[in-house]
Amino acid sequence: DGGITQSPKYLFRKEGQNVTLSCEQNLNHDAMYWYRQDPGQGLRLIYYSQIVNDFQKGDIAEGYSVSREKKESFPLTVTSAQKNPTAFYLCASSEGLAEYNEQFFGPGTRLTVL
Amino acid sequence: AQKVTQAQTEISVVEKEDVTLDCVYETRDTTYYLFWYKQPPSGELVFLIRRNSFDEQNEISGRYSWNFQKSTSSFNFTITASQVVDSAVYFCALRSYNAGGTSYGKLTFGQGTILTVHP
Repeated sequence: DGGITQSPKYLFRKEGQNVTLSCEQNLNHDAMYWYRQDPGQGLRLIYYSQIVNDFQKGDIAEGYSVSREKKESFPLTVTSAQKNPTAFYLCASSEGLAEYNEQFFGPGTRLTVL
Repeated sequence: AQKVTQAQTEISVVEKEDVTLDCVYETRDTTYYLFWYKQPPSGELVFLIRRNSFDEQNEISGRYSWNFQKSTSSFNFTITASQVVDSAVYFCALRSYNAGGTSYGKLTFGQGTILTVHP
């Protein structure tokens, strides 16, 4: 079955630690995205990537980093510079960046900073 | 600037009632797409519908229907004869070309409406 997988489902981090969230897709999509969701709010874009070895900052990129070494993988690192990292993180992919391309989402990772 | 407003934070209905979720959007672009997503308790967003700015035809899919009106910048979603399984958070989203002067069509989400359907 084609889809997007994210791991882990739940993640706990101590303050000052970097953590990496995994996102893998087997939909053969070129574009991938990372969103952050806070309670009572819509999704906010952190980073996106149109193609391998290329990625761009979204609206709230500070304190985050990404890489895109393979088409199917787009890991997100939450660094210690992110002041309030506790949130629900969603990865998505689409065929391309065109406005008509719907985005397909993974099941999400819930990150809690202790 | 793009903006999507879902004024209804929470809606509670009893099973079999009809319910309409409101969505109002703002954009200066003439070419854009509107989307609805469903987020069940599991957390994954499920794509429901896409509508482009040049197609104002209403759409019906089973118990779901969508009413797109450019004159009022609205893209409302109606669930007929609601069921408990419809309980979820519903997001309206907007994506247009050249938003912000780049070639990337940014997807802008509303705040979401929490729908609870009671048996």
